[in-house]
Amino acid sequence: DQQVKQNSPSLSVQEGRISILNCDYTNSMFDYFLWYKKYPAEGPTFLISISSIKDKNEDGRFTVFLNKSAKHLSLHIVPSQPGDSAVYFCAAGDSNSGYALNFGKGTSLLVTP
Amino acid sequence: EAGVAQSPRYKIIEKRQSVAFWCNPISGHATLYWYQQILGQGPKLLIQFQNNGVVDDSQLPKDRFSAERLKGVDSTLKIQPAKLEDSAVYLCASTKDVDEQFFGPGTRLTVL
Repeated sequence: DQQVKQNSPSLSVQEGRISILNCDYTNSMFDYFLWYKKYPAEGPTFLISISSIKDKNEDGRFTVFLNKSAKHLSLHIVPSQPGDSAVYFCAAGDSNSGYALNFGKGTSLLVTP
Repeated sequence: EAGVAQSPRYKIIEKRQSVAFWCNPISGHATLYWYQQILGQGPKLLIQFQNNGVVDDSQLPKDRFSAERLKGVDSTLKIQPAKLEDSAVYLCASTKDVDEQFFGPGTRLTVL
């Protein structure tokens, strides 16, 4: 039972444009959300997070938006750079369940020059 | 600060054999997680430790998988006997706070 869904397996964006990666979740108990970036043969690395008390969190070129009523979050990367090409995983957790993360299947982002 | 260390990086075994993976978390991180990532999927939690106690092992196939963290630092994950469907990357992660988890590079297991 997939509680975190990333419905776009891949996305291609031109350098300098905005990349928007989407994520949906089904468990209303999730109260914090994270995005991880993964390069081949490496473990996921933390990118940005947001708690359920916020609807937006920004860190440099990366912004995460949370819409709790729609159980939807998105990651915006502006401007996109070729080095951003990687697989992006959305993850969600429940603070009452030990903070273990539930991951989506990932979206492979390709930023072309 | 050193990251999460895992070994081996790669392992190839035949089905019904046994295998063990090792993880050394970041110093001072009380919570340690093992995840299984099958090709094309996101990581799936197998077990979570808080110091040397198990917090959640509800998704660990206990008939063949076992894990321990005896002194609250290093951890080992064992599969005995392995099945073809166990082929995956096994990721170890650790955290001090409740937010960000730091992942190791993973062990890629191939079961033939």
